[in-house]
Amino acid sequence: GAVVSQHPSRVICKSGTSVKIECRSLDFQATTMFWYRQFPKKSLMLMATSNEGSKATYEQGVEKDKFLINHASLTLSTLTVTSAHPEDSSFYICSAFWGDSMPDTQYFGPGTRLTVL
Amino acid sequence: SQQGEEDPQALSIQEGENATMNCSYKTSINNLQWYRQNSGRGLVHLILIRSNEREKHSGRLRVTLDTSKKSSSLLITASRAADTASYFCAWGYGQNFVFGPGTRLSVLP
Repeated sequence: GAVVSQHPSRVICKSGTSVKIECRSLDFQATTMFWYRQFPKKSLMLMATSNEGSKATYEQGVEKDKFLINHASLTLSTLTVTSAHPEDSSFYICSAFWGDSMPDTQYFGPGTRLTVL
Repeated sequence: SQQGEEDPQALSIQEGENATMNCSYKTSINNLQWYRQNSGRGLVHLILIRSNEREKHSGRLRVTLDTSKKSSSLLITASRAADTASYFCAWGYGQNFVFGPGTRLSVLP
């Protein structure tokens, strides 16, 4: 099956710094990538939809200036958490698919655990 | 909220027993999928059932879908300790994809 990677898998940073998380589709071109956030023992909440070459669409309540998303190529999307605070600590997961409409399956990355001290 | 519900929130069983998890959703759907997530790890896709299907099997997994009740169930037969994980249903409608709150399954050896 298709493979999606995320880097880093784990990051610890100080409050006030910015952190960039990469999501790569390794063996297919992803026209769309989703970014999810998961709090401990909770479900995944969609943060934004990222389409290659265009601005990301953010879900209600997600600050676009706080969570900067760039989908500059068909194989890479990045999520930058700017001026991170402890409440941004979470598990961030991306997923990717190709095509114009939602397929049956999207491929998930392994996730990035962010801890903000 | 479009999130729906999963029950139980947590389930603890003995190895060898069957585990049943239920999922309810609120919208019309194209399909419904079940995922597994081990603690602190990524998601593993288990099975997909389309809106025009009622039951699907994959190994020890059995999924049912009742679109009239907007509900689905996941049955894991002859559970093993390695089945310990969180299980999420997720449904797609239009361009949207929503996850249920999940069930934490513990299989005791």
